[in-house]
Amino acid sequence: DIQMTQSPSSLSASVGDRVTITCQASQTISSYLNWYQQKPGKAPKLLIYAASSLQSGVPSRFSGSGSATDFTLTISSLQPEDSATYYCQQSYDTRDTFGQGTKLEIK
Amino acid sequence: EVQLVESGGGLVQPGGSLRLSCAASGFTVRSHWMTWVRQAPGKGLEWVANIKQDGSEKYYVDSVKGRFTISRDNAKNSLYLQMNSLTAEDTAVYYCLRKDYGSGGRGDWFDPWGQGTLVTVSS
Repeated sequence: DIQMTQSPSSLSASVGDRVTITCQASQTISSYLNWYQQKPGKAPKLLIYAASSLQSGVPSRFSGSGSATDFTLTISSLQPEDSATYYCQQSYDTRDTFGQGTKLEIK
Repeated sequence: EVQLVESGGGLVQPGGSLRLSCAASGFTVRSHWMTWVRQAPGKGLEWVANIKQDGSEKYYVDSVKGRFTISRDNAKNSLYLQMNSLTAEDTAVYYCLRKDYGSGGRGDWFDPWGQGTLVTVSS
C-alpha cells in the first residue's frame, strides 16, 4: 500500500499568517492527491483535488501544489474559520490511503 | 443536489454483524466507483473498501479482509457494507462516498461527504 505522511501533525498560527502543510507519498502518485478539511463534529470537505485544483466554493486563499511524491497545501492568509484538521489522500492506487492528519489551531 | 445518506449503524456486540446502507441521490451510482471510509473516535480517516461501477472489482483494507463485504445495487442507486466478526477496533463513523472525477485522467476524489453512520462495537 502507498503510505501518506503529513507534517506537521499539529501547528498553531495567527490570523493572517501563511500556513503550509506537507504530504509525502511512499511512491510516486503523479498528481493523484487530494486535500480535505474537517472541522470538529463535522464530515470532511474536499478542498483541493488533483494536487492543485481548487474545489468550487473553496476560498482562494487555499492552494495546492506538488507532484510525484511531495505535495503542499498552503493557506495564504489564515482566517479564524480555518481552524480544522486537514488530510491528504492519494487516489493513484485502487486502494486509497489518507495521511494521518494535521490539526491547525488559531493562536 | 448530490447527496449520500448512510444508515444501519448502531450498537453491536463483539463478534456480531451489521449491514450498512447508503442511498444516493442527485447522481447515478452506476457511473462511479464507490467507497466506504471510516473514522474511529478521535482518530483520522481510514479508507475501508472500493467497488467498481459494475461490481466486478472490490478492494479492502487489510484489517477488514474476509470480514467485510462491499456491494452495490445500481438499480436502487445504493451501496452496502456487510460487516461480520466485528471487534472494538471497528468502532467508527462510516462514510459512504462516490469517487468523483474530471476529464483528462487526473485521478478521482471523494465528494460530497454525508454525515456518516456510527457503528459501536461493545459488550
